Amino acid sequence: DTGVSQNPRHKITKRGQNVTFRCDPISEHNRLYWYRQTLGQGPEFLTYFQNEAQLEKSRLLSDRFSAERPKGSFSTLEIQRTEQGDSAMYLCASSRDGGNTIYFGEGSWLTVV
Amino acid sequence: GENVEQHPSTLSVQEGDSAVIKCTYSDSASNYFPWYKQELGKRPQLIIDIRSNVGEKKDQRIAVTLNKTAKHFSLHITETQPEDSAVYFCAATNDYKLSFGAGTTVTVRA
Repeated sequence: DTGVSQNPRHKITKRGQNVTFRCDPISEHNRLYWYRQTLGQGPEFLTYFQNEAQLEKSRLLSDRFSAERPKGSFSTLEIQRTEQGDSAMYLCASSRDGGNTIYFGEGSWLTVV
Repeated sequence: GENVEQHPSTLSVQEGDSAVIKCTYSDSASNYFPWYKQELGKRPQLIIDIRSNVGEKKDQRIAVTLNKTAKHFSLHITETQPEDSAVYFCAATNDYKLSFGAGTTVTVRA
């Protein structure tokens, strides 16, 4: 499968714990994105990488959230001190340089109890 | 930033009938408008897209129209089938950051 891969697909955690999600984009895609989706809503932009550089972070990304893409390939999204409001699906996506077409992964569902 | 509004929020159609979903956007600089289909628990999948230099695009039973002056674009699905039942999202961007509508839940009745 050469699509965007995310893991874990589901995570249940207690409030206050840290969680980390991993995303492997489509190979040769330089651009990588994280979005968050809650029930009944469209995806909301969180952050964007061009290779290893994080070029934009949404104001939705509080200081408890950190994303990295250390070698310009896979990316991680860490949420520290999780809160119930963090419960959502975290979608990773990728695209080519100069291309608008964005391909999404299957998402990582987070439930904070 | 870009603001995308999508209507209706739910749509029920008889199998074989057409479905139309409409979106408006606020940023006149937006130049790329994709449509995604999302089944329950699955990823959003791109089904069709249109760029601002084109007014209409068709792919089999799916078509999209764009009116730049009025800043709205629409998705048309003809001869609907049960497998068309899903949530459909429109989006708009002028660079890399997609702004999504809130989605339309389409139910095709057999």
